[in-house]
Amino acid sequence: HLQLQELGPGLVKPSETLSLTCTVSGDFINNRGNCWDWVRQPPGEGLEWIATICFTGNTYYNPSLKSRISISVDTSKNHFSLRLYSVTAADTAVYFCAKRIPFGDYFDPWGQGTLVTVSS
Amino acid sequence: QSVLTQPPSVSAAPGQKVTISCSGSSSNIGKKNVSWYQQFPRTAPKLLIYENDKRPSGIPDRFSGSKSGTSATLGITGLQTGDEAGYYCGTWDISLNGVVFGGGTKLTVL
Repeated sequence: HLQLQELGPGLVKPSETLSLTCTVSGDFINNRGNCWDWVRQPPGEGLEWIATICFTGNTYYNPSLKSRISISVDTSKNHFSLRLYSVTAADTAVYFCAKRIPFGDYFDPWGQGTLVTVSS
Repeated sequence: QSVLTQPPSVSAAPGQKVTISCSGSSSNIGKKNVSWYQQFPRTAPKLLIYENDKRPSGIPDRFSGSKSGTSATLGITGLQTGDEAGYYCGTWDISLNGVVFGGGTKLTVL
């Protein structure tokens, strides 16, 4: 039974770097056919895709965030991570990690999400 | 401004049918599969429909999906109060080289 669990700091100061980790259980993160994504949702707003990293090592980033983000995988810990640099209040959101099936382009399952607030 | 366009809200009475549209372009829906997600307040989205019209195990057949050209539609029949939630469509955009979502539709079951 595949499960994803996000871990984040809760509160980040403006201009600092946000680091998030998603631990995967029930599947190997480097299994063929797997992609792993981050999606966020500002309070009261819709979903915004952030980035993906696939079993091939390929990465794709939201063009609007590309200059400030980095996604990586740690196969020894079976988790993947996101770094968002130079955060502002506009980055306040619930951050979800999810497994994406690249051929069908759908997300399943999702982590429960972690709220990150950017404030001094 | 979302790349995919959904109505902000729809409503219908219990037992009735509702459809939610998702409009895109030739760089996304026109060439890629569409998925739909259901999201209750303060919870994670849940996959409802994948590859345009397929239902994951455990999703009732009251939920259906279809795609035509650059648009997709989610249908829900036999509406229940428990269906009140936000619904999002999503797909890959080959021009942006990334995932795009609709702005979401809030379903109210009157």
